[in-house]
Amino acid sequence: GENVEQHPSTLSVQEGDSAVIKCTYSDSASNYFPWYKQELGKGPQLIIDIRSNVGEKKDQRIAVTLNKTAKHFSLHITETQPEDSAVYFCAAPRGKLQFGAGTQVVVTP
Amino acid sequence: NAGVTQTPKFQVLKTGQSMTLQCAQDMNHEYMSWYRQDPGMGLRLIHYSVGAGITDQGEVPNGYNVSRSTTEDFPLRLLSAAPSQTSVYFCASSEMDGWEQPQHFGDGTRLSIL
Repeated sequence: GENVEQHPSTLSVQEGDSAVIKCTYSDSASNYFPWYKQELGKGPQLIIDIRSNVGEKKDQRIAVTLNKTAKHFSLHITETQPEDSAVYFCAAPRGKLQFGAGTQVVVTP
Repeated sequence: NAGVTQTPKFQVLKTGQSMTLQCAQDMNHEYMSWYRQDPGMGLRLIHYSVGAGITDQGEVPNGYNVSRSTTEDFPLRLLSAAPSQTSVYFCASSEMDGWEQPQHFGDGTRLSIL
């Protein structure tokens, strides 16, 4: 099975609403959980990351929460804007870095 | 600061041909990696290097070779291209302890094998 499961695979939201993407991982020893944003024709770019010694981290309209007991972490985007439309990937180290399958986020005006 | 530079951006090959995808970084990063991206499958690790002269296999290494003669460069070689290698290829670099550090990605090489 997948080492990092990401849901949903697609997410359509109205501009101004919130978006939430969730990832679950299998290795309880994982300590670093990044989120990447990939715009069309570009490489993934880190937008936020969290380490296992904190439960939540915010950066303006984006936040990441971590539940180590349940082995899941989530990306929260508030007050979505059209420029938030992209593919978002979570990742977790399991030996090497394992990526989720991605979430296509579409923000409609 | 250029970051991670990949060339070419696009390439079409015939089955059986060989080619090298180039990757260079100017951040003096120790870790460099190659990923392939296919629809619905996220990013899968092909090969990686933790420093000059050291390389290792990732999740999907078959059909690919790498070498790391300098800190800056990490080329990926397709020995005999197959249609299953049609994909978008990304190179990434990161600092020491790279799996728990931010990955810096290039903008990819879009490769089609006919």
